[in-house]
Amino acid sequence: KNEVEQSPQNLTAQEGEFITINCSYSVGISALHWLQQHPGGGIVSLFMLSSGKKKHGRLIATINIQEKHSSLHITASHPRDSAVYICAVRIISNFGNEKLTFGTGTRLTIIP
Amino acid sequence: GAVVSQHPSWVICKSGTSVKIECRSLDFQATTMFWYRQFPKQSLMLMATSNEGSKATYEQGVEKDKFLINHASLTLSTLTVTSAHPEDSSFYICSARGTSGRMSSYNEQFFGPGTRLTVL
Repeated sequence: KNEVEQSPQNLTAQEGEFITINCSYSVGISALHWLQQHPGGGIVSLFMLSSGKKKHGRLIATINIQEKHSSLHITASHPRDSAVYICAVRIISNFGNEKLTFGTGTRLTIIP
Repeated sequence: GAVVSQHPSWVICKSGTSVKIECRSLDFQATTMFWYRQFPKQSLMLMATSNEGSKATYEQGVEKDKFLINHASLTLSTLTVTSAHPEDSSFYICSARGTSGRMSSYNEQFFGPGTRLTVL
C-alpha cells in the first residue's frame, strides 16, 4: 500500500463545477504539499500545509492531521485548471532529514 | 513565490555522451536541493538530496557515479548524467528548499520547470 493515496485518479467535470481532490496518508508527516503539473511537465507548488486551511484565489486546501487526510478544492473550475494535481507529504526520515513522498496524482480535465 | 529555474529545458543527445543540467534558485538561498526523475505517467522519484557544500545523498538504486551532483553555492546545483543511455531518457526536475526574508520560517520547497532528456 502506498504511503500517499489520492482519489480520484481521473476526474472530468464541466466548467464552473466545484472540484474536490482527496489525499490520505499513512505516516506521520511534518507538512503536506499540493502541486500542479501541466502537460508540459513543469510543476507549480500550490500549497504547503501543516494544519488547518489555506486559500489562494479559487483554490482551497485543508488538512486534518488526526485523520491523516487533506483535500484540495477548486471553485468555479475553468478549462485552464486542467492538469495533474499531486499530493506530497514531507516525512522526517530516521536520519533526521525531510523528504517528500508523492501520490500518484489526479488528472483533472475541465470541459468548456 | 520563490522561483527555481532549470537549464536546459530539453536536450537530445547521443548515447555515450554526458549531459549537464543546471538548477538555480533565483531569489532565495537554497540550503537543500533535490533532484527528481519522472517517467511517463508516473510520479516523481527522488534521486538525491544535496546540501550546499557537502556531498549529495543518493537514494537506493541511484548510481552516484552516473548521476553526478554538485551543489557548489546556495543558488546553484548541477546534475550531470554521465555516459547517457536511452534508458536514462526521462524528465528531470530539481527542487529547492531554503529560507529568505520573504519565505515562511518553515523552509518551503519550490520546483523547477524540469528538463526533458532524450538519449538516442
